Amino acid sequence: GNSVTQMEGPVTLSEEAFLTINCTYTATGYPSLFWYVQYPGEGLQLLLKATKADDKGSNKGFEATYRKETTSFHLEKGSVQVSDSAVYFCALSKEVGQNFVFGPGTRLSVLP
Amino acid sequence: DSGVTQTPKHLITATGQRVTLRCSPRSGDLSVYWYQQSLDQGLQFLIQYYNGEERAKGNILERFSAQQFPDLHSELNLSSLELGDSALYFCASSPRTRGETQYFGPGTRLLVL
Repeated sequence: GNSVTQMEGPVTLSEEAFLTINCTYTATGYPSLFWYVQYPGEGLQLLLKATKADDKGSNKGFEATYRKETTSFHLEKGSVQVSDSAVYFCALSKEVGQNFVFGPGTRLSVLP
Repeated sequence: DSGVTQTPKHLITATGQRVTLRCSPRSGDLSVYWYQQSLDQGLQFLIQYYNGEERAKGNILERFSAQQFPDLHSELNLSSLELGDSALYFCASSPRTRGETQYFGPGTRLLVL
């Protein structure tokens, strides 16, 4: 079946550090890939997405590239801020059936 | 603000009781999804409705049921509640059923005592 694996953390970084959160997936065909972010006490918000191989999603300084050859969609940001502290979820979506499969989430804490 | 609304925001009840959670999707969205988020299970997909019909089922217990009404709002019914049902319940909506971005509501926090 379809699945998403991501580093579970927690990840603790200092402000302005470089961030990478790894995400790999298992799926047949060509899923769409997403990163969602959940700030404390809130619901999930779409951060970025990519719908085909080699697409790069970007938003708020975050980037992720859809790599079909390595079945990966790693999230990166060059310089994190305290306000980026949140839980980040990688997810995939297929056309039919159970549309969204989420990874376990990675908790990021950024210290000033 | 995603445009998805959920009520109530918080719910405290006792074991054995029944509760109903309500979700209004974004204007124009036909699909509604329900998820459960707990500390030990992470984010679990429960069920999806599309334009009033059940479209996909995930890890939903038999004690739980859902429906989507003609005005497209949805309700999740949880019965014979157990302590382990304490969790955050999220509703999400999307325009169509095929791989579209899902927009999440703020969630209902359920505490079963």
